[in-house]
Amino acid sequence: AQSVAQPEDQVNVAEGNPLTVKCTYSVSGNPYLFWYVQYPNRGLQFLLKYITGDNLVKGSYGFEAEFNKSQTSFHLKKPSALVSDSALYFCAVKGGGATNKLIFGTGTLLAVQP
Amino acid sequence: DAGVIQSPRHEVTEMGQEVTLRCKPISGHDYLFWYRQTMMRGLELLIYFNNNVPIDDSGMPEDRFSAKMPNASFSTLKIQPSEPRDSAVYFCASSFGRQGTDTQYFGPGTRLTVL
Repeated sequence: AQSVAQPEDQVNVAEGNPLTVKCTYSVSGNPYLFWYVQYPNRGLQFLLKYITGDNLVKGSYGFEAEFNKSQTSFHLKKPSALVSDSALYFCAVKGGGATNKLIFGTGTLLAVQP
Repeated sequence: DAGVIQSPRHEVTEMGQEVTLRCKPISGHDYLFWYRQTMMRGLELLIYFNNNVPIDDSGMPEDRFSAKMPNASFSTLKIQPSEPRDSAVYFCASSFGRQGTDTQYFGPGTRLTVL
């Protein structure tokens, strides 16, 4: 069965420092991996996705994610955090096969302190 | 593009009442998804459609929940009768194209409170 784990409920980082939000997955076949961000009282916004190709994927707002097949991870990163990056971040996976379902992680709250 | 549109944005109702949530997907998208988000259970997929046909409704909690998609530009999620435990934020999302690579775009959600 497909699954996604976000091991940290919350990540705290100072503004200007690099940030990492972790995600690991389990899926049969080739994984399709996504990151979404949710600001308070808003819907989920797409940040980036990995389908195939380069392991480093660049997305919106300066975020990037690194696909690591051997570690089954897809960590979200940003070189320099902004206070406005504070939000809830979701990792999601879609495995091979006929399903079009996205399986979401439980979310990680990113808090960037000024 | 207006994005995915949901209405109402907020709904407060009393236990036992019927609730209907509405969604207009992005024009041209052929997949539509209904999700529910709660603190306890996180984000759950309830049902999804492809070309207006329900494909997977295994996430629908019980018979009180039903969803329809009469045409490519409109879908409803109905709860009848509603219960306090149905209180949640309900999201609609849509996507287009190749299976497995398409990105889902979410609406702003409907916050449902059942008293």
